Amino acid sequence: EAGVTQSPTHLIKTRGQQATLRCSPISGHTSVYWYQQALGLGLQFLLWYDEGEERNRGNFPPRFSGRQFPNYSSELNVNALELEDSALYLCASSLGTRARDTQYFGPGTRLTVL
Amino acid sequence: GQQLNQSPQSMFIQEGEDVSMNCTSSSIFNTWLWYKQEPGEGPVLLIALYKAGELTSNGRLTAQFGITRKDSFLNISASIPSDVGIYFCAGLVQGAQKLVFGQGTRLTINP
Repeated sequence: EAGVTQSPTHLIKTRGQQATLRCSPISGHTSVYWYQQALGLGLQFLLWYDEGEERNRGNFPPRFSGRQFPNYSSELNVNALELEDSALYLCASSLGTRARDTQYFGPGTRLTVL
Repeated sequence: GQQLNQSPQSMFIQEGEDVSMNCTSSSIFNTWLWYKQEPGEGPVLLIALYKAGELTSNGRLTAQFGITRKDSFLNISASIPSDVGIYFCAGLVQGAQKLVFGQGTRLTINP
């Protein structure tokens, strides 16, 4: 069974540009999560999508947004990029939202903002 | 906000030694998870704990969910070179479905 996949692996942008990151969940998983792993800041929760709707977001500005498609894949968009947005962006998926529906992570997209 | 305090931050050990790391929280969690992350990869789930007092093993790894639901520990027995990596504890905030992570423990093994 294929795991969570993310694309691209690496992305280089300049300040002020927009970045789009993509995620395909494990087959059968309906919930998708996004986390940011910035150097020195650890793993921080960004967004949760379930059944096409945004269900929860972390303490990030509105220029971080996304969506979930009917096939449960997801996109994360970061507008007006700032230098401190440079980080590894991790996508995770879960079968559902019960306590035992564990989140499984993809390999991440490394975003570098110059 | 919710935070997990994970210790130690780093460990340098000899191959074959046992390893112990722990996580504490000021908040109660009903689910504790332990992940391992290697360079250039995402976190990989090692052990999931769902019940206070639960002790669960996965090969050479053993983890426990504290009785107070505010702490957890992970032990690795007879370490081998492939155990190298960063280990993270995480608590699940139910309802919000977000994982709150510890700062990580970086494990280095001298052969």
